[in-house]
Amino acid sequence: KAGVTQTPRYLIKTRGQQVTLSCSPISGHRSVSWYQQTPGQGLQFLFEYFSETQRNKGNFPGRFSGRQFSNSRSEMNVSTLELGDSALYLCASSTQTGDGTEAFFGQGTRLTVV
Amino acid sequence: QKEVEQDPGPLSVPEGAIVSLNCTYSNSAFQYFMWYRQYSRKGPELLMYTYSSGNKEDGRFTAQVDKSSKYISLFIRDSQPSDSATYLCAFQAGTALIFGKGTTLSVSS
Repeated sequence: KAGVTQTPRYLIKTRGQQVTLSCSPISGHRSVSWYQQTPGQGLQFLFEYFSETQRNKGNFPGRFSGRQFSNSRSEMNVSTLELGDSALYLCASSTQTGDGTEAFFGQGTRLTVV
Repeated sequence: QKEVEQDPGPLSVPEGAIVSLNCTYSNSAFQYFMWYRQYSRKGPELLMYTYSSGNKEDGRFTAQVDKSSKYISLFIRDSQPSDSATYLCAFQAGTALIFGKGTTLSVSS
């Protein structure tokens, strides 16, 4: 059974640009959550999608957005990149909405903003 | 007061030692209590979860929750070099997980 796949694994972007990250959940999983991981703040919840609907959103500015497609694949977008957006972005999938007891994480996308 | 507090370490122990990892939390609404392990350059993986006060054992790992003190622990018995990783406590709050910042553990052979 394939795990959660995130692409790309690494990205380097310039301040002011925008970026789109992709997450393919485990087959059959309809919930996808996104997290930002930094050395200073640790893992922080960005948002969660279930059946193409955003169910929950963390405390991040509107520059961070996401969506989910009918096949449960999800993308997150960050516009007007800032240096502080440099982080590991992780997605997790589960069968039930936001069920942390069976959440499986991908390996993450390492974003560096220069 | 921070919602979750976890000592970042690093924690270095010899192989075979008993390891104790701890978190405190302030939000009484947390529903599930979890421990994740994260190896370098990997995503976190769920080790154990529980929803009530008391102990839960799985092989060499024991999770302990004390809701009255808002304190959770993870014990690792007979620690192995393969246990070297960052351990994150996590709490279910609605559909989001709230994580501690993680404790880095190094087990030397």
